[in-house]
Amino acid sequence: EADIYQTPRYLVIGTGKKITLECSQTMGHDKMYWYQQDPGMELHLIHYSYGVNSTEKGDLSSESTVSRIRTEHFPLTLESARPSHTSQYLCASSETSGRIGEQYFGPGTRLTVT
Amino acid sequence: LAKTTQPISMDSYEGQEVNITCSHNNIATNDYITWYQQFPSQGPRFIIQGYKTKVTNEVASLFIPADRKSSTLSLPRVSLSDTAVYYCLVGVDNYGQNFVFGPGTRLSVLP
Repeated sequence: EADIYQTPRYLVIGTGKKITLECSQTMGHDKMYWYQQDPGMELHLIHYSYGVNSTEKGDLSSESTVSRIRTEHFPLTLESARPSHTSQYLCASSETSGRIGEQYFGPGTRLTVT
Repeated sequence: LAKTTQPISMDSYEGQEVNITCSHNNIATNDYITWYQQFPSQGPRFIIQGYKTKVTNEVASLFIPADRKSSTLSLPRVSLSDTAVYYCLVGVDNYGQNFVFGPGTRLSVLP
């Protein structure tokens, strides 16, 4: 069973606040990803990393930033939250592979910005 | 990554076999075909992956014809708990390539 954790699971916060969504995995996976998904809508890749000190933006433009200082940790930060950031944020990881490897998803963080 | 096309939604009844077909006409030689399942308010979960012919695991079967331009996910004897969105992904995980889950197929299993 996959061991990938996200905290908090739910967050309600006011406009203008800085927030960090945590994501950790204990599988030693090099690859980690952040997706954004609105209810009933498609997943969109917003950030990914192929290893320590490697971060790239995904297909969907996002005002969030990420860092990868340790293999197991891939936090996402919003410097100033806005209502348009209200969404579910899903973190995933996978092993290094030459094909689309199995991605393990965390439970997600449902963010509401008021 | 190869573009995929799936039905937006499907209905089935408990106990029936469900087949969801994904079209990927521009699949490349090195591409693999991967299916995920997503329940509401959860992250997607890997179901099955294949390259050609047939792959079977404890959850599903994946049928891939010789030309590999389509694939069919087969779920035997579905139950209400199989109600979910099913995504077909095609490609190779090379550096710089991103993953597009697309809208998937929303399967509703009725009693």
